Amino acid sequence: QSVLTQPPSASGTPGQRVTISCSGSSSNIGSNTINWYQQLPGTAPKLLIYSNNLRPSGVPDRFSGSKSGTSASLAISGLQSEDEADYYCAAWDDSLNGPVFGGGTKLTVL
Amino acid sequence: QVQLQESGPGLVKPSETLSLTCVVSGYFISSGYYWGWIRQPPGKGLEWIGIIYQSGSTSYNPSLRSRVTISVDTSKNQFSLKLTSVTAADTAVYYCARLGGAHSSGWGFDYWGQGTLVTVSS
Repeated sequence: QSVLTQPPSASGTPGQRVTISCSGSSSNIGSNTINWYQQLPGTAPKLLIYSNNLRPSGVPDRFSGSKSGTSASLAISGLQSEDEADYYCAAWDDSLNGPVFGGGTKLTVL
Repeated sequence: QVQLQESGPGLVKPSETLSLTCVVSGYFISSGYYWGWIRQPPGKGLEWIGIIYQSGSTSYNPSLRSRVTISVDTSKNQFSLKLTSVTAADTAVYYCARLGGAHSSGWGFDYWGQGTLVTVSS
C-alpha cells in the first residue's frame, strides 16, 4: 500500500484534458513540494513536474501541476497518443526522511 | 549528460544477499547530490529503498532498514546496494537515480538508470 493515493486508472480521447489526483498527509504533501513522474512502457520513470508546477527542460507545456493542502493534481491538456503511460506522484516525507510515491495511475488514450 | 548504469546478478536465491552497483558517468559523485535506489515489483508501483550522499551519509526506507546497506566509492564514481535475507517479495526492477536539489528538481530524482530486473528464486 502506497503512502500517497492515486486513482489506478484514467482515460481520455486525443485532444481532451485529463487530470490525475494525488492525496497525502501533513508529513509529505502538506509540508513539501510534489513531483510527478511519467513512465512509458518498459522504460525508467522520467521527472515530469517538480516543485508542484515546474517543468524540466523539454517537457511540453501541455503538462501542468498544482497543489492545495495535502492534495495535488497533474493535468494534461491536448492529450496525445504518446501520453499513454503510468504517472506517479511523489513527495518528501518528513516522518520517513525520504521520498514517498503514489501507487501510480495508468493513463489510456482511447 | 549524466548517465547511470546498474549492474549485478539477475537471479538471487532466497535468504541470500542481493548486491547491485550503479556506475555514474558525466558527473562526479564527489561533487555533491544524493544518490539513491528505487525498486518496482513486476506490474506494481515505485518504492524508495534509500539514498546516500558523497560523504557516506545515508537514509533508508524504514520498512527495509534492517536489511539494506548503501555505500559509495567516489574513486570509482559508483555506489552500491546490498539487501540481505531476500525473499520472493524482493523480486523487482531495481533503479539507481540521482536525487536532484531543491531548486533544480524539488528533491525529485532527475536522472535514472535503465533499471535491472532481479528475480529471487531457488
